[in-house]
Order: sequence, then structure tokens, then C-alpha cells
Amino acid sequence: AQSVTQLGSHVSVSEGALVLLRCNYSSSVPPYLFWYVQYPNQGLQLLLKYTSAATLVKGINGFEAEFKKSETSFHLTKPSAHMSDAAEYFCAVSDPPRGSQGNLIFGKGTKLSVKP
Amino acid sequence: DTAVSQTPKYLVTQMGNDKSIKCEQNLGHDTMYWYKQDSKKFLKIMFSYNNKELIINETVPNRFSPKSPDKAHLNLHINSLELGDSAVYFCASLLAGSYEQYFGPGTRLTVT
Repeated sequence: AQSVTQLGSHVSVSEGALVLLRCNYSSSVPPYLFWYVQYPNQGLQLLLKYTSAATLVKGINGFEAEFKKSETSFHLTKPSAHMSDAAEYFCAVSDPPRGSQGNLIFGKGTKLSVKP
Repeated sequence: DTAVSQTPKYLVTQMGNDKSIKCEQNLGHDTMYWYKQDSKKFLKIMFSYNNKELIINETVPNRFSPKSPDKAHLNLHINSLELGDSAVYFCASLLAGSYEQYFGPGTRLTVT
């Protein structure tokens, strides 16, 4: 069965600093992977997705993630944090791993705080 | 124009009551989902519907029942509410082949 592990339940960075949120997956085959963002008291919004095309995926708001099969990782990065990036971030894997209508299995989330 | 909407946004009720949460999507999507987010922010799939057919039914209590009157709506009925049902419930929809699920704003259910 697929699973997702997000390292660090809380990450704090200074404004302008690099953002790195870690996600590792477990799957029998390379799965489809997603990063979602949840702002306070709101629903989830898709940041980016990996569906077996380019391994470096660019998303909205300057975020990107790189799929590394050898490390079973899909870490989310942003070169320069902005105050508006403060939110909860969820990594998710598709179940079945390559299903287009499967459900999403979420990690436990990482709360990103940005200090002025 | 809200893509996925849920009503109500907040719901406070007492144990033992029966309640419903409504979800509507105006995206023309084929599949709709219900997720539960607990107090620790953990998200878990509950149900999904594809063209009015239940295609995923996770191990949730049978007190929870999804009902889809048409492709644009997926409502969640909960009978005999318990304290542990307190959570935020999210509806989502998916266009076939797109891989991206669109989420509603959530319904915060509090059972007292």
C-alpha cells in the first residue's frame, strides 16, 4: 500500500530564506505525487503534481519539487520565502499509484511559519 | 463563481443527532470525494462517487452515508453523531484524467 511521510511537522524560516519541505513516499511502483497547500480556515489548493513527465515540477507561487526515484522523495522547495507562504503543506500520493481517479493518501502535513 | 461549495461552513450539534452536509461542484467533474480532517490536521478519504456510483468506501462507520442526487452534488449524511465525529469535512471533485482534485472550503463539525 502507498504511504507518505513528511519529515518535520513544523518548519520555520525567515522571510527571503530558502524553503525546503520534505516528503518521502512508499510505493510498489513510482506513483503520482502531489503537494497541496492549506491556508488557515480554507480548503486545500494544488501547488504542483508529478505524473511521470519531467522529474522537476514547477508549481504556483514559485514552488517547485523534484521527483527522485532513487531516494523515493518529492521534496518541495522555494528559493525565497514570503510572509504569505505561511500555511500547512501536504504531500500526497495517488492510490492506486498511477490511477487517475484514485483517492489521495496524504502525509501528516508540515506547518510552515515565516518570520519577518 | 465558487467551483466546489459546501454548506454549512460550521455545524454545532449534540450527540445522538442526525445531520447532513451538502456539497456542490459547478466544474462538470465526474468524480466527487469526501475527506475527514481531524484535530491534528490529518486528512483521510471517506468516500468517492463516480457518475453516481460509489467506487471507494473506506472503513468508516455505517452511520456515515453519502448520497448523490446528481453528478454535481454529493451530500454526506451522519446518523447518531458521536464526539469523535468532530472534525473538518472536505468535499472535493476530479475531472477524469486530470489528476487534480479541487477542494471545497470545508465544514467544521462540532459535536457536544
